[in-house]
Amino acid sequence: DGGITQSPKYLFRKEGQNVTLSCEQNLNHDAMYWYRQDPGQGLRLIYYSQIVNDFQKGDIAEGYSVSREKKESFPLTVTSAQKNPTAFYLCASSIDQGTYEQYFGPGTRLTVT
Amino acid sequence: LAKTTQPISMDSYEGQEVNITCSHNNIATNDYITWYQQFPSQGPRFIIQGYKTKVTNEVASLFIPADRKSSTLSLPRVSLSDTAVYYCLVGAPLSGNTPLVFGKGTRLSVIA
Repeated sequence: DGGITQSPKYLFRKEGQNVTLSCEQNLNHDAMYWYRQDPGQGLRLIYYSQIVNDFQKGDIAEGYSVSREKKESFPLTVTSAQKNPTAFYLCASSIDQGTYEQYFGPGTRLTVT
Repeated sequence: LAKTTQPISMDSYEGQEVNITCSHNNIATNDYITWYQQFPSQGPRFIIQGYKTKVTNEVASLFIPADRKSSTLSLPRVSLSDTAVYYCLVGAPLSGNTPLVFGKGTRLSVIA
């Protein structure tokens, strides 16, 4: 089955620790995205990547970092500098950035205490 | 990107047709209108996209008037499983600009 996988589904961390969220796709898509969703809110863009070894900041990149070393993978690191890291994190991909048809993963719910 | 305005919530009974309207007064010539559906604790799912007039697929129809300042997502004969948040997005996918901006969407509740 083609699709996007995110792991783990639930993640718990202590404040001050960095944590890396996994995102893998086997759709052969060039573009990948990370969003954050808080309760009752829409999605906010953290980072996006149009091609391997290239990525751009979204609207709320502070406190986050990404890498795109492989086409299939776009991991997100939530650093200790992110003031309110508890949220639902969604990864998505699209054939390229020239389309608004994005495919989303199941999400990772991160809780930091 | 053009700003969109949607109702915060809507209720409907099963079997009824539901129309969700999105206002986008500042839509640009190259902008397309895209709708997504999101169930609780899941990622959004692409529903439909259009530029003008009417687009229909197996899930929904999208009506866009000539001035393109608004659009209406129509869901025929909704069922309980259509209870979700629906997002209207406007932008120019081929422009290479910043990608999608999701607002708060419209929370549709379907009642038996």
